[in-house]
Amino acid sequence: NAGVMQNPRHLVRRRGQEARLRCSPMKGHSHVYWYRQLPEEGLKFMVYLQKENIIDESGMPKERFSAEFPKEGPSILRIQQVVRGDSAAYFCASSIDSSYNEQFFGPGTRLTVL
Amino acid sequence: GNSVTQMEGPVTLSEEAFLTINCTYTATGYPSLFWYVQYPGEGLQLLLKATKADDKGSNKGFEATYRKETTSFHLEKGSVQVSDSAVYFCALSAPQTGANNLFFGTGTRLTVIP
Repeated sequence: NAGVMQNPRHLVRRRGQEARLRCSPMKGHSHVYWYRQLPEEGLKFMVYLQKENIIDESGMPKERFSAEFPKEGPSILRIQQVVRGDSAAYFCASSIDSSYNEQFFGPGTRLTVL
Repeated sequence: GNSVTQMEGPVTLSEEAFLTINCTYTATGYPSLFWYVQYPGEGLQLLLKATKADDKGSNKGFEATYRKETTSFHLEKGSVQVSDSAVYFCALSAPQTGANNLFFGTGTRLTVIP
């Protein structure tokens, strides 16, 4: 059973460009979470999605950031007009449901904004 | 609100030394508690968890006991190995409060030297 897949693993963008990060949850998981890890810090929650629905986006910046989890295909975290402060590791996690079940994390996408 | 306070590092130990990484939490209700480990260049892996007071989570020689009276979940290992070098994150989930995500501490970097 493949784990959570994220791609790309490393992404370099210039200021003002768009960044698209992809996450495929574990098989059978319909709940996806995105977290951001700034250098030398812990992970901070951004958004929680189920198929075709955003359930909680309380941790996501109001501007430039968006997320989706379509009926078919991976979850996408999209950052428009990137700035240097967006440089971070972005981790996706998935779970079977939203109860006490464990969240399984992907390897992360390391975004560098030049 | 929900939060996790974790012992700051870095921590450097000699092989076979005893490890303690302190973690305390603030939460409404009855959270579940977790320790995640992040090896260099990788995503987070669940190390152990406890879902109710007095539960002890254990894995790979690591242990942590859910202490409700002291709101703590300290990580211990009796004899560390070089391969334990990683960053350790304490986390909690409290879905009964309406929050579906994990709340992380800032992480503690452990380096074990031969």
